[in-house]
Amino acid sequence: DGGITQSPKYLFRKEGQNVTLSCEQNLNHDAMYWYRQDPGQGLRLIYYSQIVNDFQKGDIAEGYSVSREKKESFPLTVTSAQKNPTAFYLCASSIGPVQETQYFGPGTRLLVL
Amino acid sequence: KQEVTQIPAALSVPEGENLVLNCSFTDSAIYNLQWFRQDPGKGLTSLLLIQSSQREQTSGRLNASLDKSSGRSTLYIAASQPGDSATYLCAVGPRAGNNRKLIWGLGTSLAVNP
Repeated sequence: DGGITQSPKYLFRKEGQNVTLSCEQNLNHDAMYWYRQDPGQGLRLIYYSQIVNDFQKGDIAEGYSVSREKKESFPLTVTSAQKNPTAFYLCASSIGPVQETQYFGPGTRLLVL
Repeated sequence: KQEVTQIPAALSVPEGENLVLNCSFTDSAIYNLQWFRQDPGKGLTSLLLIQSSQREQTSGRLNASLDKSSGRSTLYIAASQPGDSATYLCAVGPRAGNNRKLIWGLGTSLAVNP
């Protein structure tokens, strides 16, 4: 059953703590993306990766980091430098360029304790 | 700079009604336009993708049109059902180049009442 999985569904972060959100896909897609969704705001791109071992900053990369060591995995780390991390985080993938249909995971909701 | 607007922000209709959701964009130099559906607390599901050379795409009860010259796309939902209740988002795909991101609207929240 092909698709994108994200874990955990809910994540709680303490002050000063780094946390990592998992994103895995078995669609054999080259490109992967991380978005942040806040109420009343459109989806904002954090990072994207067009190919393994390469990634680019999106519009709001400050306070976040990613890696792309495997084609199927694109984890996102929310660092302590991100002062307002509470949001819904969505991972997506596409077979090729950004213009192609993007397939989304179920999302991770990050809350600050 | 490309901007995408979706009006209205919220819409409530009785079951069975045909309805139209609107998406406007400011720069007609687009590669494609996509419509997505998002249920509360869930990820997005792709509904339709229209290439810039196309005028419309259909999937079941959904029909999406594209008019680049006027900077508009519409999503037509026929015979609406309570299960259609969700937020519908449109996203504009850039032409090939260095701009590697979709430009998103804020969405229209649709409620179909039984």
